[in-house]
Amino acid sequence: GAGVSQSPSNKVTEKGKDVELRCDPISGHTALYWYRQSLGQGLEFLIYFQGNSAPDKSGLPSDRFSAERTGGSVSTLTIQRTQQEDSAVYLCASSLVTRLGETQYFGPGTRLLVL
Amino acid sequence: EDQVTQSPEALRLQEGESSSLNCSYTVSGLRGLFWYRQDPGKGPEFLFTLYSAGEEKEKERLKATLTKKESFLHITAPKPEDSATYLCAVQAKTSYDKVIFGPGTSLSVIP
Repeated sequence: GAGVSQSPSNKVTEKGKDVELRCDPISGHTALYWYRQSLGQGLEFLIYFQGNSAPDKSGLPSDRFSAERTGGSVSTLTIQRTQQEDSAVYLCASSLVTRLGETQYFGPGTRLLVL
Repeated sequence: EDQVTQSPEALRLQEGESSSLNCSYTVSGLRGLFWYRQDPGKGPEFLFTLYSAGEEKEKERLKATLTKKESFLHITAPKPEDSATYLCAVQAKTSYDKVIFGPGTSLSVIP
């Protein structure tokens, strides 16, 4: 079956432009995570969606970042007025919770380069 | 302050030499503890979720355990293909379900 997909796979943009990143989770997965990983750095949590509940956006690094999840499925992460420090791989993961616990599936990521 | 540390930073094992990786955490309320492996240039691969002290989970040569302060990832008779960076993360019971990652342990298994 299809896994988590993300688009675009690569994005090069100029400083100050807005970008929109998309995540298509596995069908039926209720939870969705956004992370980013800068070159040579660890993973940084951005936001967590559980079902259709409105997420708390406190974890987003600045007010230039926003995220939505429509109909409990597709999610978009929008970065306004991009800065060079936003360059990173943006990863999305969806998860399925069963009686055995939660299992997460990661997408391939979007590599964002801000010039 | 919520934080996650991992030790050792790097570990080199001979094929078949069992060992354990440590993840120590401080969190105001634990929703879950996650283990992942990450190969160079690739995204993380999920391994386990643990929820409460005393819980254990196994997958092939890996076994994860959890106490109130730390988790161990035991690797039994490792093979070269187990070489990767192993990441530990905790999800806190905060208003935004924050996930805090440790720095990882880089494991090399030598044939």
